[in-house]
Amino acid sequence: DVKVTQSSRYLVKRTGEKVFLECVQDMDHENMFWYRQDPGLGLRLIYFSYDVKMKEKGDIPEGYSVSREKKERFSLILESASTNQTSMYLCASSLSGGGREKLFFGSGTQLSVL
Amino acid sequence: DQQVKQNSPSLSVQEGRISILNCDYTNSMFDYFLWYKKYPAEGPTFLISISSIKDKNEDGRFTVFLNKSAKHLSLHIVPSQPGDSAVYFCAGGVTGTASKLTFGTGTRLQVTL
Repeated sequence: DVKVTQSSRYLVKRTGEKVFLECVQDMDHENMFWYRQDPGLGLRLIYFSYDVKMKEKGDIPEGYSVSREKKERFSLILESASTNQTSMYLCASSLSGGGREKLFFGSGTQLSVL
Repeated sequence: DQQVKQNSPSLSVQEGRISILNCDYTNSMFDYFLWYKKYPAEGPTFLISISSIKDKNEDGRFTVFLNKSAKHLSLHIVPSQPGDSAVYFCAGGVTGTASKLTFGTGTRLQVTL
């Protein structure tokens, strides 16, 4: 069965801290994504990666960076957390085929920055 | 710029009746669309998709309709069941862009007894 695992369900951090959100998929998918979900704004794409060590900015990359050293792992990094980064963060993955593959999501990490 | 819009934040429907969730888009490049369902404290799960060359796709109780000229799609759930209560997101994608989807703002569906 398809599985995308996010390391933490809930996280509380202080303003200015460096934060790492980890995501692992066991489906050998090439593509991995980080979205954030906010009320009234839906899911917005932060970064995505279509191969190891490759990354592309999404719609709202400011204040974030990513790392993909291994195919199965995609990390989201908040260099200096701010209160406006309090959100639900969702990791997803997909196969790289004809380009219409559906995304498989993890359960999400609810991050609170105080 | 919100390329995918779901103008109804919430919808309440009686069990057994039809639920209709609507979605509008502005990006003419989208050539496929998907609906995802999300329960609280869980990630979104894929529900149904449609290619832009079709105007209808059906899967059990779920049917998606696409009106390209109006840039509008809708999800019909018949009959609605209490377990369908969730947030529904529509998303648009462009073939060949590594499954990079643009999501709408979501509609919370509540199916009442």
